[in-house]
Amino acid sequence: QQQVKQSPQSLIVQKGGISIINCAYENTAFDYFPWYQQFPGKGPALLIAIRPDVSEKKEGRFTISFNKSAKQFSLHIMDSQPGDSATYFCAASKPGAQKLVFGQGTRLTINP
Amino acid sequence: NAGVTQTPKFRILKIGQSMTLQCAQDMNHNYMYWYRQDPGMGLKLIYYSVGAGITDKGEVPNGYNVSRSTTEDFPLRLELAAPSQTSVYFCASSSQDRYSGNTIYFGEGSWLTVV
Repeated sequence: QQQVKQSPQSLIVQKGGISIINCAYENTAFDYFPWYQQFPGKGPALLIAIRPDVSEKKEGRFTISFNKSAKQFSLHIMDSQPGDSATYFCAASKPGAQKLVFGQGTRLTINP
Repeated sequence: NAGVTQTPKFRILKIGQSMTLQCAQDMNHNYMYWYRQDPGMGLKLIYYSVGAGITDKGEVPNGYNVSRSTTEDFPLRLELAAPSQTSVYFCASSSQDRYSGNTIYFGEGSWLTVV
């Protein structure tokens, strides 16, 4: 009930392509779904987040798509650039919760 | 602009030794966390604190201890280090916003090797 399952574990995309990372959750009480980006040697940092009252949120080249009925959400990176190469984590939390539940992470490599 | 500061950045311990990872935040956040990150395993919560004097276990607390005597500091103590504790440790803090959710700010990590 507390898990967030993320796929794929690793992903290689050509420069200019679309990167897609998927997450699925079981607990319908989750109401906050952030994505974190982590560069090598650094801590994760918030990239973009969504609440289930909307099906999509876009910030620049990054878009979260949310499917409440399927209990899935995904991160789309348009026009992927080598500088986007990083590890991406999805996460979820319940209302008022002090903790986030993280997915296992996806190592994204953008080839020039 | 310090945010969350962790020390040391790198440390090698021998089996059975003890050490403390230091963490400080200057954002006046109530919530603080310790995570460990192992390759392909994501972020696992070790301990967390909702305020000074209050701590609670996360998913993987065995072999660790914490204390929270001030809002700013949240040290993680490793007692009797074991090779299984070789990992990257991240301290984090957050201040829950009812509109934007629980945004967690991470430190840069502490690389620990137990030999």
